[in-house]
Amino acid sequence: AQKVTQAQTEISVVEKEDVTLDCVYETRDTTYYLFWYKQPPSGELVFLIRRNSFDEQNEISGRYSWNFQKSTSSFNFTITASQVVDSAVYFCALSEAWTGANNLFFGTGTRLTVIP
Amino acid sequence: EAGVTQSPTHLIKTRGQQATLRCSPISGHTSVYWYQQALGLGLQFLLWYDEGEERNRGNFPPRFSGRQFPNYSSELNVNALELEDSALYLCASSLVDPSTDTQYFGPGTRLTVL
Repeated sequence: AQKVTQAQTEISVVEKEDVTLDCVYETRDTTYYLFWYKQPPSGELVFLIRRNSFDEQNEISGRYSWNFQKSTSSFNFTITASQVVDSAVYFCALSEAWTGANNLFFGTGTRLTVIP
Repeated sequence: EAGVTQSPTHLIKTRGQQATLRCSPISGHTSVYWYQQALGLGLQFLLWYDEGEERNRGNFPPRFSGRQFPNYSSELNVNALELEDSALYLCASSLVDPSTDTQYFGPGTRLTVL
């Protein structure tokens, strides 16, 4: 069965600090897809990144970076030099290829508060 | 390019009534997904429609139903509303190939059942 665990329920950091959001997943599928979404107070889920299981290359996009490690089934997200606008709930999600079901399985989310 | 749109933004109903929520996908996307985000239950998959057909369904009772129209827009219907149906309902759209296609979400409809 598939499962996504975000053990950190809430994190608070002071502006300009770096912060890492953890995501651990479980799947029996050999081909799967991992995602991070941001949910600001407005409620809309904003897509941040997608990673395919066969692509373990880490990625950096501005202040955001992602570390995908299949050996530990983790897909962690780091924000460098955090800003108040980064305050939101962040969700990690998994989609499996074999079922053809296409739906996303979400973690419970991590609420990040950046204090000015 | 316009993103996923949903209407209404807010909906207030009483127990036992029916609610209809609407979603318009990104232009060119044929798949529409519905998710429920209820307090304490997280984000849960409800339904997936593609090319007018229901392709997959989450673990929800039959009173949650929907359809997809020829223009790929979609409706979610919730019959015999219960208090626990109060939630944010999010719609997402994508192209249909999961190996390449990402789901993009709309702003949601907040349903309150009194």
